[in-house]
Amino acid sequence: EAGVAQSPRYKIIEKRQSVAFWCNPISGHATLYWYQQILGQGPKLLIQFQNNGVVDDSQLPKDRFSAERLKGVDSTLKIQPAKLEDSAVYLCASSLGPSGNQPQHFGDGTRLSIL
Amino acid sequence: DAKTTQPNSMESNEEEPVHLPCNHSTISGTDYIHWYRQLPSQGPEYVIHGLTSNVNNRMASLAIAEDRKSSTLILHRATLRDAAVYYCILRDANAGKSTFGDGTTLTVKP
Repeated sequence: EAGVAQSPRYKIIEKRQSVAFWCNPISGHATLYWYQQILGQGPKLLIQFQNNGVVDDSQLPKDRFSAERLKGVDSTLKIQPAKLEDSAVYLCASSLGPSGNQPQHFGDGTRLSIL
Repeated sequence: DAKTTQPNSMESNEEEPVHLPCNHSTISGTDYIHWYRQLPSQGPEYVIHGLTSNVNNRMASLAIAEDRKSSTLILHRATLRDAAVYYCILRDANAGKSTFGDGTTLTVKP
């Protein structure tokens, strides 16, 4: 089966600019996650969707970050405006369902550099 | 959220078994124990998971302590391609909420 697809692979922007990332989960996976991974650290969950509804966005900086999954399949994560501390890899993952008995499958991420 | 504790780094020789430990003393009865690994410039890759019983798959084995407060990921014969950061995380059975720590960096020596 095809894995989780993410684009772009790399992005370089200046601070205060906007940026968007796209994720296509594995077909049939109802649960989608966005993580932020700062260099040298483990991934940190930003938001979790169940179909097109938000399950958990407690760690999403809502003043600048937004995410949507309008049709319950693809998802976009946006940062507006970007800050220097947003430099990180943004990972998308999906699973069949939200249960802890379901493995998460990750994409290779988008590496964001803020100048 | 329940937290896990792992050593920062471990070394192994190629073709020898590797035992990667994880402590999760505050685990709840509904938490599944998951292991993922991450190679450079790639996303984390699922390795194995379990609830109470030991588990085996083609990649590894998972040994879970009887009190579930610790677990060990076993790679039976380490190869150079097993060099990665290994994460042990707990995922709640209902909501699947989980928190990644900083993992264990495994170095495999030829």
